[in-house]
Amino acid sequence: AQKVTQAQTEISVVEKEDVTLDCVYETRDTTYYLFWYKQPPSGELVFLIRRNSFDEQNEISGRYSWNFQKSTSSFNFTITASQVVDSAVYFCALSESTSGTYKYIFGTGTRLKVLA
Amino acid sequence: NAGVTQTPKFRILKIGQSMTLQCTQDMNHNYMYWYRQDPGMGLKLIYYSVGAGITDKGEVPNGYNVSRSTTEDFPLRLELAAPSQTSVYFCASRPTPGNKETQYFGPGTRLLVL
Repeated sequence: AQKVTQAQTEISVVEKEDVTLDCVYETRDTTYYLFWYKQPPSGELVFLIRRNSFDEQNEISGRYSWNFQKSTSSFNFTITASQVVDSAVYFCALSESTSGTYKYIFGTGTRLKVLA
Repeated sequence: NAGVTQTPKFRILKIGQSMTLQCTQDMNHNYMYWYRQDPGMGLKLIYYSVGAGITDKGEVPNGYNVSRSTTEDFPLRLELAAPSQTSVYFCASRPTPGNKETQYFGPGTRLLVL
C-alpha cells in the first residue's frame, strides 16, 4: 500500500530559526516521485520540489533544502532562517507509476507558524 | 495561458441540492484529477481521468460523478449534497508521458453544505 506520513501536525518557531518538516513514505514501487507543496493561508497549492526515487542527492534552493533517504523512506524538508512568510501548511506527496495513473498520495500536512 | 481554472470559488448548498464544480485546463493535458481537502487534512482523490471519455474512481468517490467529454473539461457533479461533502475541492491536470511530470492544481472551490 502507498502511504505518506507527516507526523508533525503543527510546528511553531521564532523567525530566523531553522525548522525541519518530516515526511515518511511507503511504497512497493521501485520507481516513484516525491513532492513537497506549500499551501499559504490564501489556499492555493504551490509546488516546491520533485524528487525521483533514483536520485538521492540532497537539494538546496535558497533557504530551502531537502534530504531524501531511501534507506529510511524519508524525504525531509528544512527551512533555514525561517521568515513569517514561510507560515503555511506544507504537504508531502508520493506519485506512484505502476498503474500508469500518476495519482498523488498526500500526507496530512504540517502547519508551520513562524512568529515574528 | 490560464492553466487550471475552477468555478465557482465558493458555494453554499442546502442538503439535498445538486451542483457541478467546473474545471478547465488549457494546457492540452490528458490526465486530470479531482481531490477534496477536509479541514486539517491532506488531499484525497475523488476521481481521475487519463483522457477524454475515460474516468475512474479514486479513494473517496461516493456521492460524486464525473464526465470527460473533452480534453479541456473535467466537471465534478454532486447529486444530493450532504454536510459530509463540505470541503475544499481541487482540480489538477498533468501532461503525459512520464512519472517526472508535476500535477498542476487549480485554485480550489470551497463548498459549504448546510
